[in-house]
Amino acid sequence: AQSVTQPDIHITVSEGASLELRCNYSYGATPYLFWYVQSPGQGLQLLLKYFSGDTLVQGIKGFEAEFKRSQSSFNLRKPSVHWSDAAEYFCAVGALKGGSEKLVFGKGTKLTVNP
Amino acid sequence: NAGVTQTPKFQVLKTGQSMTLQCAQDMNHNSMYWYRQDPGMGLRLIYYSASEGTTDKGEVPNGYNVSRLNKREFSLRLESAAPSQTSVYFCASQGLSYEQYFGPGTRLTVT
Repeated sequence: AQSVTQPDIHITVSEGASLELRCNYSYGATPYLFWYVQSPGQGLQLLLKYFSGDTLVQGIKGFEAEFKRSQSSFNLRKPSVHWSDAAEYFCAVGALKGGSEKLVFGKGTKLTVNP
Repeated sequence: NAGVTQTPKFQVLKTGQSMTLQCAQDMNHNSMYWYRQDPGMGLRLIYYSASEGTTDKGEVPNGYNVSRLNKREFSLRLESAAPSQTSVYFCASQGLSYEQYFGPGTRLTVT
């Protein structure tokens, strides 16, 4: 069964600083990997996804993530954080079953941005 | 294009009461999902439906039932609510590239 670990429960960065959120996964086959963002009181929004091919994927809002098979990681990065990036971020790994993607989510990393 | 909608947004129940959470999507997606979100636990899958007429259990199905009414609608029912079911519930549907689109959530409190 697949699993996801987000080692950092809470991260604080200054506005304009770079950001890296860590994600490690466990899955027997080639994984489908996702990053979602959740603003307070809202649903989840997809930032980016990796299925195959180029291991560096670009997403919305200036985010990118790199798939590293040897490290079982899919870390999320942003070169310069904006105050509006304050939210909770979830990494997820998916497994196909009967045409449906069953996602397993990490427990999330809450990002605080200081002015 | 509303995407995924959920009703109600908020609900307070007494222990033992029943209720149904409604979800609808207008993206013509086949697969739909129900998750619950608890602090520090991330999202956990309750049930999902790969297509109209089929449903399958997820990670935490106990105490819940679901109905895939048609391609658009997927409801979640609590027959006898318990305080442990206090949570935020999210419905999602799956797009062609396997990404999931989430509704705004229902915040349920069971007293």
